[in-house]
Amino acid sequence: GENVEQHPSTLSVQEGDSAVIKCTYSDSASNYFPWYKQELGKRPQLIIDIRSNVGEKKDQRIAVTLNKTAKHFSLHITETQPEDSAVYFCAASKVDYKLSFGAGTTVTVRA
Amino acid sequence: DAGVTQSPTHLIKTRGQHVTLRCSPISGHKSVSWYQQVLGQGPQFIFQYYEKEERGRGNFPDRFSARQFPNYSSELNVNALLLGDSALYLCASSPRTGGSDTQYFGPGTRLTVL
Repeated sequence: GENVEQHPSTLSVQEGDSAVIKCTYSDSASNYFPWYKQELGKRPQLIIDIRSNVGEKKDQRIAVTLNKTAKHFSLHITETQPEDSAVYFCAASKVDYKLSFGAGTTVTVRA
Repeated sequence: DAGVTQSPTHLIKTRGQHVTLRCSPISGHKSVSWYQQVLGQGPQFIFQYYEKEERGRGNFPDRFSARQFPNYSSELNVNALLLGDSALYLCASSPRTGGSDTQYFGPGTRLTVL
């Protein structure tokens, strides 16, 4: 089955700096890559996603890049703010149904 | 706009008992997936249902079962509870089957097995 690895497990950044989280996947048939943000005690919320026919996608301060050849994708958050502090999960899936998640990255934005 | 809802919010059971968790998808969504999230880990896929049929199952024992009703709501059942079943159980809905469809998560049910 699909195996998704996520790095780093924790990330501390100064407010206003950028944060980058990287994920690799094992199944070359995977074609959908969402990112979820989960605050303590809350549900995972989709923040951005990318499909395999696209190399990069941006939404305000958030961007995701995908390298299909290398089988890795990354989340970039610019101009970080205290409310960006949370656990971020990457995931991958094929056209079937199952999201395979990474282990998560705890992001702390220092004021 | 009502999102995915789950009940109950919290549940405490003892080993060997049975539990039923419930999920109502976003209106118009026909697909429901269940995930188990152990503390400190990413969610793990348990089941997906679409149009009342099981469309996928993760690597979980037969103690776990689920079903989907005509109104597209769903139940997850776990028999013979073990301590290791303690986790946050998340339900996600999407408009139709297919992993490329966005899945929206509910708030989860926190299950504690003593």
